[in-house]
Amino acid sequence: DTGVSQDPRHKITKRGQNVTFRCDPISEHNRLYWYRQTLGQGPEFLTYFQNEAQLEKSRLLSDRFSAERPKGSFSTLEIQRTEQGDSAMYLCASSLQAYRVKGDEQFFGPGTRLTVL
Amino acid sequence: GQQVMQIPQYQHVQEGEDFTTYCNSSTTLSNIQWYKQRPGGHPVFLIQLVKSGEVKKQKRLTFQFGEAKKNSSLHITATQTTDVGTYFCAGPPNDYKLSFGAGTTVTVRA
Repeated sequence: DTGVSQDPRHKITKRGQNVTFRCDPISEHNRLYWYRQTLGQGPEFLTYFQNEAQLEKSRLLSDRFSAERPKGSFSTLEIQRTEQGDSAMYLCASSLQAYRVKGDEQFFGPGTRLTVL
Repeated sequence: GQQVMQIPQYQHVQEGEDFTTYCNSSTTLSNIQWYKQRPGGHPVFLIQLVKSGEVKKQKRLTFQFGEAKKNSSLHITATQTTDVGTYFCAGPPNDYKLSFGAGTTVTVRA
């Protein structure tokens, strides 16, 4: 399978604990995105990497959230001191930068569903 | 900031009927993308529209980009049970970031 993969698929944690999610993008894709999706809503942009550089972070991403993409390959999203409001589906997507007017077609992973008790 | 609004939020369709879902942006878009998310699944890219007034077809799905590039529509003819899911439009405030609408969730009555 050469699609975007995410691990774990489900995570249940207690409030105050730290959690880390992993995303493996499509290998030749240089762009990687993290989104958060809650029930009945579209994905909300969290952060974006161009290769290993994190170029934008949403205001939704408090200082409890940190993301890395070492060596421009896989990425991790860590949430420290989780709160019940962090419960959501965390989606990772990757794309190959389009050097033209068009935007990138983004390929989404299956997501990690986080439940904070 | 840019907002993308979709209507209706829910669409209940009799199998075989046609329907249209609409997407409106508060700002002019350089392009618009449509994604489909099946129940329990993840968003899957359907199509991208770039030109003013552009119309693209994928079998029973017809996508249109408005002349002013601030709205878009998706029309599905002869709805089938395989069309069940949530359809999102997404517009880019820049060349990489997507701003998604809340989606139109489609259910089909057999």
